[in-house]
This record gives sequence, C-alpha cells and structure tokens, in this order.
Amino acid sequence: VVLTQSPGTLSLSPGERATLSCRASQSVSGTYLAWYQQKPGQAPRLLIFGASSRATGIPDRFRGSGSGTDFTLTISRLEPEDFAVYYCQQSGEIFGQGTKLEIK
Amino acid sequence: QVQLVQSGAEVKKPGASVKVSCKASGYTFTTYSIAWVRQAPGQGLEWMGWISTYNGNTNYAQTLQGRVSLTTDTSTSTAYMELRSLRSDDTAVYYCARDFGEGDAFDIWGQGTVVTVSS
Repeated sequence: VVLTQSPGTLSLSPGERATLSCRASQSVSGTYLAWYQQKPGQAPRLLIFGASSRATGIPDRFRGSGSGTDFTLTISRLEPEDFAVYYCQQSGEIFGQGTKLEIK
Repeated sequence: QVQLVQSGAEVKKPGASVKVSCKASGYTFTTYSIAWVRQAPGQGLEWMGWISTYNGNTNYAQTLQGRVSLTTDTSTSTAYMELRSLRSDDTAVYYCARDFGEGDAFDIWGQGTVVTVSS
C-alpha cells in the first residue's frame, strides 16, 4: 500500500478551513488510519486514530473522515499553532509523504 | 507522566553500529509495543520496525532487514534499537513511539535521537 497526500503544500490564513487528503493505492481499513502533526524540531503528535477518533487533548477543530481509499483531515478554523506538517499513517508501518500547511 | 526518553546524539563512521535507547515511564512497559521511526533531514517519516514488549516478537521494515535489531529490557522499561553497517544515508533523527493498540497508532513519542554518519 502507498499513501499519497495532497496537496504537498497548502497556504492558508488563520481562521480559514484546511482540507488535507490522504489517498491509499488500494482499499484499507479505516481502523488503522491515523494522522499526525509535526512542528519543526519536534516529534510527531498523534491527532486522529481509527480515521475519525481524536486523540487525547486534541481540539475539536480537528476532524478526520473517510473510508476505503480516501481519507481527509479537516481543520475547521486554523489557529496560528496549526501551521505544521501533517502525515497520514496506515497500520503503523506506512506513512504518507506529508502535507505542509503554511501561513499565507 | 507518561513519557519516552531517548539517549543522546551520536556521531558514527560509515560501517560502524549505533545503539539508541528509549526509556519508558509513567505506565506499565509490557502493556504496549514500541515502534521505531526515523526521519532523514528534510524528509518524511520512515517506519523501521516494531517490538512487542510483552514477548519480544519483532517485525522489521524490509529495507532494513539484516541491519536493524530491536530489543527490550523489561527490568528497566527500556527499548533499544541497534543499526549496523551504517551508511551516510542512515543520517537521521530516530524516534521511538508507543503503539497504544488502537489501530497501531503511536500516541507517545520520544524526543528523538540525532544519528550522524560521517567519515
């Protein structure tokens, strides 16, 4: 399985809505689909597991959805601290190449 | 609090080996597996392997088979990653992470260990 994230870079302003895509090369179980946020110089942080469950302490502006081959991470209203790189992951072993969310 | 604390930065020559430690605290070590992930400079995340802290079973990335070994010491709640025959493209930040059992997602990460391979 290959995970392809799009876009590679997303330029938005605080307060806007961000939609990040993760597409699998074949149908996968949403049970094993996770999303992470990584800021420069920091370890990744788990945001979403099981395609749509928020990890402990993650604000409800982060929402995961999708099934089969298409999964989405939506950030409803961007806060300044949300600008980072986001990775999707399948079954622990496969990571997408990442989407960089930058301030416009 | 629940945390994973990794050993410090390493500089190695090509062909050498490196062993990175990851000490767990704040939870029962043998309840959750530990995964290792690395990140080359400016690149994405690469899964290296996984070890069951309960029985020592391992699963390694095919690209690293034969060069990587994952072990644990349950008496000290510490996991180890050894990488042999180092090459310059092994230069990366190495992370350990706890697989908390929900869809193989990693909920706790170590702070990362920089390994530099240079002659």
